Amino acid sequence: EVQLVESGGGLVKPGGSLRLSCAASGFTFSSYSMNWVRQAPGKGLEWVSSISSSSSYIYYADSVKGRFTISRDNAKNSLYLQMNSLRAEDTAVYYCARVIAAADTDAFDIWGQGTMVTVSS
Amino acid sequence: DIQVTQSPSSLSASVGDRVTITCRASQGISNGLSWYQQKPGQAPTLLIYAASSLQSGVPSRFSGSGSGTDFTLTISSLQPEDVATYYCLQDYTTPYTFGQGTKLEIK
Repeated sequence: EVQLVESGGGLVKPGGSLRLSCAASGFTFSSYSMNWVRQAPGKGLEWVSSISSSSSYIYYADSVKGRFTISRDNAKNSLYLQMNSLRAEDTAVYYCARVIAAADTDAFDIWGQGTMVTVSS
Repeated sequence: DIQVTQSPSSLSASVGDRVTITCRASQGISNGLSWYQQKPGQAPTLLIYAASSLQSGVPSRFSGSGSGTDFTLTISSLQPEDVATYYCLQDYTTPYTFGQGTKLEIK
Protein backbone atom coordinates (compact mmCIF):
# COMPACT_ATOMS: atom_id res chain seq x y z
CA GLU A 1 0.00 0.00 0.00
CA VAL A 2 1.28 3.45 -0.92
CA GLN A 3 1.58 5.39 2.31
CA LEU A 4 3.06 8.49 3.91
CA VAL A 5 3.29 8.75 7.69
CA GLU A 6 4.31 11.98 9.40
CA SER A 7 5.78 12.23 12.89
CA GLY A 8 7.61 14.69 15.11
CA GLY A 9 4.88 17.19 15.87
CA GLY A 10 4.23 18.54 19.33
CA LEU A 11 4.15 21.57 21.59
CA VAL A 12 7.08 23.98 21.34
CA LYS A 13 7.73 27.45 22.74
CA PRO A 14 8.07 30.48 20.45
CA GLY A 15 11.61 30.67 19.13
CA GLY A 16 12.05 26.93 19.51
CA SER A 17 12.81 24.22 16.97
CA LEU A 18 11.18 21.02 15.80
CA ARG A 19 12.00 18.41 13.15
CA LEU A 20 9.19 16.71 11.29
CA SER A 21 9.64 13.40 9.50
CA CYS A 22 7.61 11.70 6.79
CA ALA A 23 8.13 7.98 6.21
CA ALA A 24 7.23 6.70 2.76
CA SER A 25 6.31 3.15 1.85
CA GLY A 26 4.80 1.20 -1.02
CA PHE A 27 6.49 3.15 -3.83
CA THR A 28 9.94 4.11 -5.11
CA PHE A 29 10.44 7.18 -2.95
CA SER A 30 13.60 8.29 -4.75
CA SER A 31 11.66 8.83 -7.99
CA TYR A 32 9.23 11.43 -6.67
CA SER A 33 9.29 15.10 -5.74
CA MET A 34 7.77 15.79 -2.35
CA ASN A 35 6.10 18.68 -0.54
CA TRP A 36 5.09 19.93 2.87
CA VAL A 37 1.67 21.58 3.20
CA ARG A 38 0.20 22.99 6.40
CA GLN A 39 -3.24 23.88 7.70
CA ALA A 40 -3.77 26.19 10.67
CA PRO A 41 -6.72 25.27 12.92
CA GLY A 42 -9.98 26.04 11.13
CA LYS A 43 -8.15 27.54 8.15
CA GLY A 44 -7.27 26.59 4.58
CA LEU A 45 -4.30 24.81 3.09
CA GLU A 46 -0.92 26.52 2.68
CA TRP A 47 1.97 25.14 0.64
CA VAL A 48 5.20 25.27 2.67
CA SER A 49 8.07 23.69 0.73
CA SER A 50 9.01 21.42 -2.15
CA ILE A 51 12.01 19.20 -2.91
CA SER A 52 12.82 17.35 -6.12
CA SER A 53 13.60 13.66 -6.24
CA SER A 54 17.38 14.10 -6.03
CA SER A 55 17.24 17.23 -3.83
CA SER A 56 18.51 19.34 -6.71
CA TYR A 57 15.60 21.76 -6.56
CA ILE A 58 14.23 23.16 -3.32
CA TYR A 59 11.60 25.86 -2.87
CA TYR A 60 9.97 27.58 0.10
CA ALA A 61 7.01 29.79 0.82
CA ASP A 62 8.06 33.29 1.81
CA SER A 63 6.43 32.78 5.20
CA VAL A 64 9.02 30.12 6.16
CA LYS A 65 12.05 31.02 4.06
CA GLY A 66 15.18 31.30 6.20
CA ARG A 67 13.57 29.45 9.12
CA PHE A 68 12.55 26.07 7.70
CA THR A 69 14.72 23.55 5.84
CA ILE A 70 13.36 20.68 3.75
CA SER A 71 15.52 17.62 3.13
CA ARG A 72 15.22 13.96 2.23
CA ASP A 73 17.11 10.71 2.65
CA ASN A 74 16.26 8.44 -0.26
CA ALA A 75 18.11 5.53 1.33
CA LYS A 76 15.75 5.77 4.31
CA ASN A 77 12.62 6.62 2.26
CA SER A 78 12.16 9.68 4.40
CA LEU A 79 11.35 13.36 4.03
CA TYR A 80 12.14 15.94 6.70
CA LEU A 81 11.25 19.49 7.68
CA GLN A 82 13.56 21.24 10.12
CA MET A 83 11.66 24.14 11.67
CA ASN A 84 13.61 26.82 13.55
CA SER A 85 12.63 30.16 15.10
CA LEU A 86 9.05 28.96 15.40
CA ARG A 87 6.25 31.47 15.76
CA ALA A 88 2.67 31.22 16.97
CA GLU A 89 1.50 31.55 13.37
CA ASP A 90 3.34 28.32 12.50
CA THR A 91 0.77 26.40 14.57
CA ALA A 92 -0.84 23.98 12.15
CA VAL A 93 -1.27 20.41 11.00
CA TYR A 94 1.66 19.64 8.71
CA TYR A 95 1.11 17.22 5.83
CA CYS A 96 3.67 15.65 3.54
CA ALA A 97 2.45 15.08 0.00
CA ARG A 98 3.81 13.30 -3.06
CA VAL A 99 3.90 14.86 -6.52
CA ILE A 100 2.00 12.77 -9.04
CA ALA A 101 3.96 10.87 -11.68
CA ALA A 102 2.29 12.44 -14.68
CA ALA A 103 3.53 14.76 -17.38
CA ASP A 104 3.01 18.53 -17.16
CA THR A 105 1.60 18.59 -13.66
CA ASP A 106 2.84 18.91 -10.09
CA ALA A 107 -0.41 17.85 -8.42
CA PHE A 108 -0.19 16.13 -5.04
CA ASP A 109 -1.59 12.63 -5.35
CA ILE A 110 -0.69 11.02 -2.02
CA TRP A 111 -0.97 12.75 1.37
CA GLY A 112 -0.02 11.69 4.86
CA GLN A 113 -2.43 11.91 7.79
CA GLY A 114 -0.67 14.97 9.19
CA THR A 115 1.16 15.87 12.38
CA MET A 116 0.14 18.73 14.67
CA VAL A 117 2.60 21.47 15.59
CA THR A 118 1.60 23.88 18.34
CA VAL A 119 3.75 26.91 19.08
CA SER A 120 2.79 28.41 22.42
CA SER A 121 4.36 29.59 25.63
CA ASP B 1 3.43 35.29 -6.97
CA ILE B 2 0.27 33.89 -8.56
CA GLN B 3 -2.91 34.48 -6.56
CA VAL B 4 -5.85 32.11 -6.80
CA THR B 5 -9.39 33.28 -6.06
CA GLN B 6 -11.91 30.52 -5.36
CA SER B 7 -15.67 30.97 -5.23
CA PRO B 8 -18.04 30.56 -3.61
CA SER B 9 -16.67 30.18 -0.08
CA SER B 10 -19.68 28.07 0.89
CA LEU B 11 -22.43 26.32 -0.96
CA SER B 12 -25.58 24.46 -0.02
CA ALA B 13 -27.23 22.16 -2.55
CA SER B 14 -29.64 19.25 -2.71
CA VAL B 15 -28.82 15.65 -3.46
CA GLY B 16 -28.81 15.20 -7.22
CA ASP B 17 -28.02 18.84 -7.97
CA ARG B 18 -25.27 19.93 -10.33
CA VAL B 19 -22.64 21.88 -8.37
CA THR B 20 -19.99 24.20 -9.78
CA ILE B 21 -16.98 25.71 -8.03
CA THR B 22 -14.64 28.13 -9.76
CA CYS B 23 -11.03 29.26 -9.38
CA ARG B 24 -9.43 32.21 -11.09
CA ALA B 25 -5.67 32.70 -11.27
CA SER B 26 -4.11 36.16 -11.29
CA GLN B 27 -2.12 35.26 -14.40
CA GLY B 28 -2.14 32.49 -16.97
CA ILE B 29 -1.17 29.06 -15.64
CA SER B 30 -1.93 26.91 -18.70
CA ASN B 31 -3.53 23.76 -17.26
CA GLY B 32 -1.54 23.85 -14.01
CA LEU B 33 -4.47 23.51 -11.65
CA SER B 34 -5.62 20.63 -9.46
CA TRP B 35 -8.65 20.07 -7.23
CA TYR B 36 -8.78 18.45 -3.78
CA GLN B 37 -11.51 17.24 -1.46
CA GLN B 38 -11.06 17.41 2.31
CA LYS B 39 -13.53 15.82 4.69
CA PRO B 40 -13.54 16.89 8.36
CA GLY B 41 -10.61 15.49 10.31
CA GLN B 42 -9.03 13.96 7.22
CA ALA B 43 -6.18 14.78 4.87
CA PRO B 44 -7.02 16.19 1.44
CA THR B 45 -7.42 13.82 -1.50
CA LEU B 46 -6.73 14.56 -5.16
CA LEU B 47 -9.77 14.70 -7.45
CA ILE B 48 -8.59 16.36 -10.66
CA TYR B 49 -5.10 17.15 -11.99
CA ALA B 50 -3.92 19.12 -15.02
CA ALA B 51 -7.23 21.00 -14.90
CA SER B 52 -9.34 18.21 -16.38
CA SER B 53 -7.79 14.78 -15.74
CA LEU B 54 -9.72 12.59 -13.33
CA GLN B 55 -7.56 10.95 -10.69
CA SER B 56 -7.80 7.17 -10.57
CA GLY B 57 -10.57 5.95 -8.29
CA VAL B 58 -12.48 9.23 -8.23
CA PRO B 59 -16.17 8.94 -9.22
CA SER B 60 -16.99 10.13 -12.74
CA ARG B 61 -19.52 12.65 -11.42
CA PHE B 62 -16.50 14.87 -10.71
CA SER B 63 -15.05 16.78 -13.65
CA GLY B 64 -12.75 19.72 -14.21
CA SER B 65 -12.40 22.22 -17.01
CA GLY B 66 -10.58 25.39 -17.91
CA SER B 67 -7.23 26.70 -19.02
CA GLY B 68 -5.26 29.90 -18.63
CA THR B 69 -6.87 31.80 -15.77
CA ASP B 70 -10.37 30.36 -15.30
CA PHE B 71 -11.13 26.89 -14.00
CA THR B 72 -14.19 24.96 -12.87
CA LEU B 73 -14.87 21.89 -10.78
CA THR B 74 -18.26 20.32 -11.45
CA ILE B 75 -20.11 17.64 -9.53
CA SER B 76 -22.78 16.42 -11.96
CA SER B 77 -25.11 14.88 -9.38
CA LEU B 78 -24.39 15.71 -5.74
CA GLN B 79 -24.26 12.76 -3.36
CA PRO B 80 -24.39 12.84 0.47
CA GLU B 81 -20.78 11.63 0.67
CA ASP B 82 -19.63 14.71 -1.26
CA VAL B 83 -20.07 16.90 1.83
CA ALA B 84 -16.57 18.34 2.26
CA THR B 85 -14.40 21.38 1.68
CA TYR B 86 -12.93 21.66 -1.80
CA TYR B 87 -9.68 23.40 -2.69
CA CYS B 88 -8.01 24.28 -5.94
CA LEU B 89 -4.23 24.47 -6.20
CA GLN B 90 -2.18 26.23 -8.82
CA ASP B 91 0.73 23.82 -9.30
CA TYR B 92 2.07 25.59 -12.39
CA THR B 93 4.92 27.33 -10.59
CA THR B 94 6.28 27.88 -7.10
CA PRO B 95 5.19 29.28 -4.76
CA TYR B 96 2.24 26.96 -5.26
CA THR B 97 -0.98 28.59 -4.08
CA PHE B 98 -4.26 27.14 -2.88
CA GLY B 99 -7.66 28.71 -3.25
CA GLN B 100 -9.45 29.73 -0.09
CA GLY B 101 -11.69 26.67 -0.10
CA THR B 102 -15.40 26.00 -0.70
CA LYS B 103 -17.41 24.34 2.05
CA LEU B 104 -20.12 22.21 0.45
CA GLU B 105 -23.16 21.17 2.44
CA ILE B 106 -26.36 19.29 1.68
CA LYS B 107 -29.57 21.31 1.78
